[in-house]
Amino acid sequence: DIQMTQSPSSLSASVGDRVTISCRASQGISNYLAWFQQKPGEAPKSLIYDASTLQSGVPSKFSGSGSDTDFTLTISSLQPEDFATYYCQQYYSYPWTFGPGTKVDIK
Amino acid sequence: QVQLVESGGGLVKPGGSLRLSCVASGYTFTDYFMSWIRQTPGKGLEWVAYISSSGGAIFYADSVKGRFTISRDNTENSLYLQMNRLRAEDTALYYCARSDAYPDFWGQGSLVTVSS
Repeated sequence: DIQMTQSPSSLSASVGDRVTISCRASQGISNYLAWFQQKPGEAPKSLIYDASTLQSGVPSKFSGSGSDTDFTLTISSLQPEDFATYYCQQYYSYPWTFGPGTKVDIK
Repeated sequence: QVQLVESGGGLVKPGGSLRLSCVASGYTFTDYFMSWIRQTPGKGLEWVAYISSSGGAIFYADSVKGRFTISRDNTENSLYLQMNRLRAEDTALYYCARSDAYPDFWGQGSLVTVSS
């Protein structure tokens, strides 16, 4: 199975900050990577797929980059509605696997 | 708009069975593969099973293979997960997710608790 890791596991940031979250795969996955946002009590919401393609309706403050084993999610200017937990997921091979999540909270 | 509504969760004893359902609306159900994904505070998000649009291709996580069965009824826009020989470690919030290459839309989840 492909193991997914994320760093940091949590971070505190202020409104307006630029935030970067890293995701690493245990083996190459090309660009078969998705990012999700989850708020408490809600289902995960798709943000980005194919490592860098924004899901329809997702604001452009979110961006993704990377390929092979190293990936990044960036939020250009953090807003109150962005405080949540973010997960990466590989769909290069079964079983699909998820990272453990990065919790973004208010400083 | 896309809607996925799960039902069928509850409390069940170890060794028992449960059947989850997911009704889809707001899109053409037969155009998409579907998945079940579960979430626990301890293990995070875990993909469980995946079924192609016709039902002809099915994949399972090793942790549920031989115990769980995914199926779909395209005439009812419905997805199912039959869970047998349940274990305490199957306790989780179970999501159905519209999936082609990746799970792009998720339902709100159905809670399954396995406990004596």
